[in-house]
Amino acid sequence: EAGVTQSPTHLIKTRGQQATLRCSPISGHTSVYWYQQALGLGLQFLLWYDEGEERNRGNFPPRFSGRQFPNYSSELNVNALELEDSALYLCASSRTGANEKLFFGSGTQLSVL
Amino acid sequence: KQEVTQIPAALSVPEGENLVLNCSFTDSAIYNLQWFRQDPGKGLTSLLLIQSSQREQTSGRLNASLDKSSGRSTLYIAASQPGDSATYLCAVQGSARQLTFGSGTQLTVLP
Repeated sequence: EAGVTQSPTHLIKTRGQQATLRCSPISGHTSVYWYQQALGLGLQFLLWYDEGEERNRGNFPPRFSGRQFPNYSSELNVNALELEDSALYLCASSRTGANEKLFFGSGTQLSVL
Repeated sequence: KQEVTQIPAALSVPEGENLVLNCSFTDSAIYNLQWFRQDPGKGLTSLLLIQSSQREQTSGRLNASLDKSSGRSTLYIAASQPGDSATYLCAVQGSARQLTFGSGTQLTVLP
């Protein structure tokens, strides 16, 4: 069974540009979560999508947005990139319902120059 | 606001030793507590999930306990091996499915 896949593995952008990160969940999983792991800040919750709808968002500005497609894959968009957006962005998926384990992808390393 | 603390921040032990990692959280209104491991530059691997109504979960050499009333969890690793070297993260999940993570314990098991 394929795990959670994220693309690209690495992404280099300059300040002010837009970045798009993609995530394919495990087959049968309808929930997708996005987390940011910045150096020294730990893992911070960004967004949760389930059945195509945004269900919850963390304390991030509106220039962080995303969507979930009918096949449950998801993309995260970051507009007007700032230097402090440089981080490892991790996607996770789970079955719907509470108390389901989250399975994480290997992440996209975003570097903003 | 939920806060999760992990102690110690780093731990180095010789191979074969049993060890305990600690996690504490401030808000007991949780759905579950999860333990993950993270290898350098990689994503997270789920180890154990303890539902709020449970006291412990076991998987192989790993045993995790949960005391929701006191806001504490421990991860016990028996007979540690060099392959156990990684960062171990504790996270609690609230009603909005948001996982709040601790800052992790970096474990090194020396051969």
